[in-house]
Amino acid sequence: KAGVTQTPRYLIKTRGQQVTLSCSPISGHRSVSWYQQTPGQGLQFLFEYFSETQRNKGNFPGRFSGRQFSNSRSEMNVSTLELGDSALYLCASSYSGNSYEQYFGPGTRLTVT
Amino acid sequence: KQEVTQIPAALSVPEGENLVLNCSFTDSAIYNLQWFRQDPGKGLTSLLLIQSSQREQTSGRLNASLDKSSGRSTLYIAASQPGDSATYLCAVTNQAGTALIFGKGTTLSVSS
Repeated sequence: KAGVTQTPRYLIKTRGQQVTLSCSPISGHRSVSWYQQTPGQGLQFLFEYFSETQRNKGNFPGRFSGRQFSNSRSEMNVSTLELGDSALYLCASSYSGNSYEQYFGPGTRLTVT
Repeated sequence: KQEVTQIPAALSVPEGENLVLNCSFTDSAIYNLQWFRQDPGKGLTSLLLIQSSQREQTSGRLNASLDKSSGRSTLYIAASQPGDSATYLCAVTNQAGTALIFGKGTTLSVSS
């Protein structure tokens, strides 16, 4: 079974730009969650999608948004990028949510200059 | 608000040693606890998942225990190897099931 895939793996953007990251979950998994990892804050929850609906949301500004498609693939978008958005963005999939084992992708490394 | 703490932050051991990594959480009303491994610049690899009704889980040289009442979990690694060098993260899911809440991790270095 293929694992969670994320594209692109690396991104360099300029302040003020926007960016879209993509995540393909494990086949059969319907829940996709996104996390931001920084050296200072560690891993922080952004949001979770299940069956194309945002089910939970972390404490991030509205510049961070996401969506999920009917095939469970998910995208997250960050608008008006700030230097502090530089981070490793990780996507996790599970069969049905956090009561099930979470499987993480390799992440997208975003650098904002 | 749930907080997860991992002690120590870093650990260096010689190859072959048995070791224990600690994880504590402030709210015992958890749904499950999961241990992950992260290699530098990479994603997370799931090691063990313990449901709240379970006391321990084992996989190969790894054994994780859970004591909900005291808010603690331990990850025991037997006969450590240089390939075990990585950052180990524990994460809990509250009963609301909203998200994984992570500790800051323990960075393990095993020397040959």
